[in-house]
Amino acid sequence: GAGVSQSPRYKVAKRGQDVALRCDPISGHVSLFWYQQALGQGPEFLTYFQNEAQLDKSGLPSDRFFAERPEGSVSTLKIQRTQQEDSAVYLCASSFRRDRGYEQYFGPGTRLTVT
Amino acid sequence: SQQGEEDPQALSIQEGENATMNCSYKTSINNLQWYRQNSGRGLVHLILIRSNEREKHSGRLRVTLDTSKKSSSLLITASRAADTASYFCATDPGFLSGGSNYKLTFGKGTLLTVNP
Repeated sequence: GAGVSQSPRYKVAKRGQDVALRCDPISGHVSLFWYQQALGQGPEFLTYFQNEAQLDKSGLPSDRFFAERPEGSVSTLKIQRTQQEDSAVYLCASSFRRDRGYEQYFGPGTRLTVT
Repeated sequence: SQQGEEDPQALSIQEGENATMNCSYKTSINNLQWYRQNSGRGLVHLILIRSNEREKHSGRLRVTLDTSKKSSSLLITASRAADTASYFCATDPGFLSGGSNYKLTFGKGTLLTVNP
């Protein structure tokens, strides 16, 4: 079956531009996560949705970052007025919660380069 | 902030050899997971071990967990060139440690190179 897909795979933005990154989770997965992965580092949590509700946005680095999942499926991560420090790979993951521990299925990521 | 720390940062071995990677973490956990990331690809879940488990196997993978030492190890036996990737441990701290029961905290990873 289809996995998590993300688009675009690569995005180059000039400093100050707004960008929108899309995530299509696995059908039926209620939980959706966004992570930011800097070069040479592990992913860092940004935000979490359960269906359409954003239950945790504690990892968003600033108020320039905004995420939504209006119908409980596709999600968009928007970054306003991009800065060079926003350059990173943005990973989306989804999961079908089971028991008290569960695996997350990751998409291939969007590599954002801010020039 | 990243809770887990993998050791070594990089490991280079010959095909057929075993590879062992270690992970240390700081707070109590519900479970610990290992993920693999190939160059240019997303993360792939390998194995999950719960806090009340000590050892788990999946194919050529063996994971151990020592909660008293707050550490885990991942052993890949009979390695193949296709195992070349970065390996990350990820912890779910759980409610009692101020965690969430859903938020994973990743380490910086071990870069494994398997030479043919």
